[in-house]
Amino acid sequence: QKEVEQDPGPLSVPEGAIVSLNCTYSNSAFQYFMWYRQYSRKGPELLMYTYSSGNKEDGRFTAQVDKSSKYISLFIRDSQPSDSATYLCAMSTPNTGTASKLTFGTGTRLQVTL
Amino acid sequence: NAGVTQTPKFRILKIGQSMTLQCTQDMNHNYMYWYRQDPGMGLKLIYYSVGAGITDKGEVPNGYNVSRSTTEDFPLRLELAAPSQTSVYFCASSFHRGAGSYEQYFGPGTRLTVT
Repeated sequence: QKEVEQDPGPLSVPEGAIVSLNCTYSNSAFQYFMWYRQYSRKGPELLMYTYSSGNKEDGRFTAQVDKSSKYISLFIRDSQPSDSATYLCAMSTPNTGTASKLTFGTGTRLQVTL
Repeated sequence: NAGVTQTPKFRILKIGQSMTLQCTQDMNHNYMYWYRQDPGMGLKLIYYSVGAGITDKGEVPNGYNVSRSTTEDFPLRLELAAPSQTSVYFCASSFHRGAGSYEQYFGPGTRLTVT
């Protein structure tokens, strides 16, 4: 079983739709949860992060963490064609004094159509 | 700030050749990382460094070497290239924040093909 599972998609939605992207994980020590967005032939860029459980909102994006279910979600409201990209979830355990090594999901490819 | 820069953008190597992938960051980050990304496999950590002169292995270090002589530069060396090293390579950097250094900034990648 992979430590982080993510549906690769592709997920195709019409413009204006609400998009739900999800990851499940098995390591209960993960405390930091991130979503990266990666456009085609570009490097990933950090979109959102949350610490432990709860919700975090930033504009059209909401990140949700449910540690009891080991499940994280990213919601995109009013999706735009410019949101078409691959979305990678990433997770990390707390690590003082050394680099936090991120464990990535495989990424979900999202296409928002006009 | 240019952020994280990588050279070259593309490279084709023959089996057995060697090359160095260059990575430079201008954000004064103390942590730097090398990842490879294969289709459907996500990002895998090759090596990382917590500061100049200190490096450590990640998940998939075999066939690679790194060095970190300055804060800014973190080159990745491939010796005796093999077809299994065909991949997209990303360099990243982050600033240590006490309890974690989760906010990693990525370069644009180097697309390597070994034939």
